Amino acid sequence: QSALTQPASVSGSPGQSITISCTGTTSDIGGYNYVSWYQQHPGKAPKLMIYDVSNRPSGVSNRFSGSKSGNTASLTISGLQAEDEGDYYCSSFTSSSTRVFGTGTKVTVL
Amino acid sequence: EVQLVESGGGLVQPGRSLRLSCAASGFTFDDYAIHWVRQAPGKGLEWVSGISWNSGSIGYADSVKGRFTISRDNAKNSLYLQMNSLRVEDTALYYCAKVGYCGGDSCRTTPGSFEIWGQGTMVTVSS
Repeated sequence: QSALTQPASVSGSPGQSITISCTGTTSDIGGYNYVSWYQQHPGKAPKLMIYDVSNRPSGVSNRFSGSKSGNTASLTISGLQAEDEGDYYCSSFTSSSTRVFGTGTKVTVL
Repeated sequence: EVQLVESGGGLVQPGRSLRLSCAASGFTFDDYAIHWVRQAPGKGLEWVSGISWNSGSIGYADSVKGRFTISRDNAKNSLYLQMNSLRVEDTALYYCAKVGYCGGDSCRTTPGSFEIWGQGTMVTVSS
């Protein structure tokens, strides 16, 4: 099972919007609506930000939104803030009933 | 408070074995699947293995299949990972993660997302 493909880095100025893509195949992202996104700050455990493609867990800012088209999922952060800096990972359920993570994207707030 | 606490990590020589544990509290343990996810130093997240609420469904990443065995003891609210034939490339921080947010359905029947994570236990494989 190959890792999902994410851009290595994305940056933006405070207040701007950025979008992180996550590309898989018909055996994972394209086949199921079980795509989730995680934020990780240095030295910390990952935190769930989006589940089932586009749903936000309670307590997660509505500046975070998710979507999917075909084999590609996307995470958009609007009104970028300094606290949004960190690493972001997508994840999907697969046709083998396993899970796969993306390669990870480092978000930098300029 | 929902909590997961991993233990059992350490320094081990290549080819040897290690058993990780994950102690759960604050929720009904046998209502949820639990997974192991690892992160090598400076690298990304890698899903390792997952087990359903009743141990009826188990999966492994290709990188550990045949070497690692996941198990759980619902009476003890605990998850385990038996790691045999360890390799240098198994060096990583190992997290256990509870599924949640199962879209309104029971988390016994839907995959869910990794809702709650422990703080991890470090495994170093080196001679």
